[in-house]
Amino acid sequence: DTGVSQDPRHKITKRGQNVTFRCDPISEHNRLYWYRQTLGQGPEFLTYFQNEAQLEKSRLLSDRFSAERPKGSFSTLEIQRTEQGDSAMYLCASSLVGLRLGPLHFGNGTRLTVT
Amino acid sequence: RKEVEQDPGPFNVPEGATVAFNCTYSNSASQSFFWYRQDCRKEPKLLMSVYSSGNEDGRFTAQLNRASQYISLLIRDSKLSDSATYLCVIFNQAGTALIFGKGTTLSVSS
Repeated sequence: DTGVSQDPRHKITKRGQNVTFRCDPISEHNRLYWYRQTLGQGPEFLTYFQNEAQLEKSRLLSDRFSAERPKGSFSTLEIQRTEQGDSAMYLCASSLVGLRLGPLHFGNGTRLTVT
Repeated sequence: RKEVEQDPGPFNVPEGATVAFNCTYSNSASQSFFWYRQDCRKEPKLLMSVYSSGNEDGRFTAQLNRASQYISLLIRDSKLSDSATYLCVIFNQAGTALIFGKGTTLSVSS
């Protein structure tokens, strides 16, 4: 399967714990995005990378959130000191950007439940 | 005004009906536009890009109106399998973050 893959699919954690999610984009894609989605809402932008550079972060991304893409391939999203409000689906997407802006291809997402 | 706005619906239509959704955007510098489809508890999947001249893919037609800052999606001869949430997506400027609308829910019944 050469699509975007995310791990884990589901994560249940207790409030105050740290969690880390991983995203493997489509290999030839140079952009990688993280979104968060709650029930009844569209995906909300968190951050994106062009290769290994993090180019934009949403104000939704508090200082408890950090994302990395160390070698311009896979990315991790870490949430420290989780809160119940962090419960959501975390979606990763990748795209190829060159002369034109390619559409996003999404992974299956990681569903986080904070108890 | 929100960056991207969609009528959440739900739109309840019978099979064979024609239905149209609009999506308005606030940033006149927006460059690229897409429609995505999302099934319940699944990830969004690209339905079609929206080109300036309008484009069609089978039963689906997408239009862009830059003057009024909206995009539209027309679905003809609705099928049961078209039931889903339809999300419009806008590049906010020159290729930075894509902004999603909240989605419009379509329910097609027999």
